[in-house]
Amino acid sequence: GENVEQHPSTLSVQEGDSAVIKCTYSDSASNYFPWYKQELGKRPQLIIDIRSNVGEKKDQRIAVTLNKTAKHFSLHITETQPEDSAVYFCAAPPSNTGNQFYFGTGTSLTVIP
Amino acid sequence: NAGVTQTPKFRILKIGQSMTLQCTQDMNHNYMYWYRQDPGMGLKLIYYSVGAGITDKGEVPNGYNVSRSTTEDFPLRLELAAPSQTSVYFCASSYEDIQYFGAGTRLSVL
Repeated sequence: GENVEQHPSTLSVQEGDSAVIKCTYSDSASNYFPWYKQELGKRPQLIIDIRSNVGEKKDQRIAVTLNKTAKHFSLHITETQPEDSAVYFCAAPPSNTGNQFYFGTGTSLTVIP
Repeated sequence: NAGVTQTPKFRILKIGQSMTLQCTQDMNHNYMYWYRQDPGMGLKLIYYSVGAGITDKGEVPNGYNVSRSTTEDFPLRLELAAPSQTSVYFCASSYEDIQYFGAGTRLSVL
């Protein structure tokens, strides 16, 4: 099955700084890479995703980059705000199992005002 | 649309008891999933379904069972609850790869 590794497990940044979270995956045929945000006590919610036919996607202050050769993808948050504080999860689907997803272990981001 | 609805929100079980976690979605999604989330950990797939009448095991299926008699409902059954099943359980449905999660059920087995 797919193996998804996520780093770092915790990240603290000053408000206004940038945050970068990285995930690596093992199945070279994977073609869809989402990022989910989970606020404390809440459900995970999709914030951005990328498909394998593009290298970068941006939505306001968040962006995702994909390097298929190296099998890693990263979440970039610029101009961080206190409301960005949450746990962020990456996920990747194995190519041969339809619609399953394997999630990373999460990154707890704290934005310090 | 209510989206994905899970009941109950919280439950305490004694060791050896059984219970069913309910999940229903009103988005007519074919794909549905059950995950568990242990403290400080990611989401582990328990079971999933690609449509009514079809279910399959995920990463951690032992101690659980599911059924999918309708498109809307995907209940998760715990038989003989064990302390290791203490966790937060999330149900999700998906369409075009995007997963929509329920609010979760927090289960403690004591």
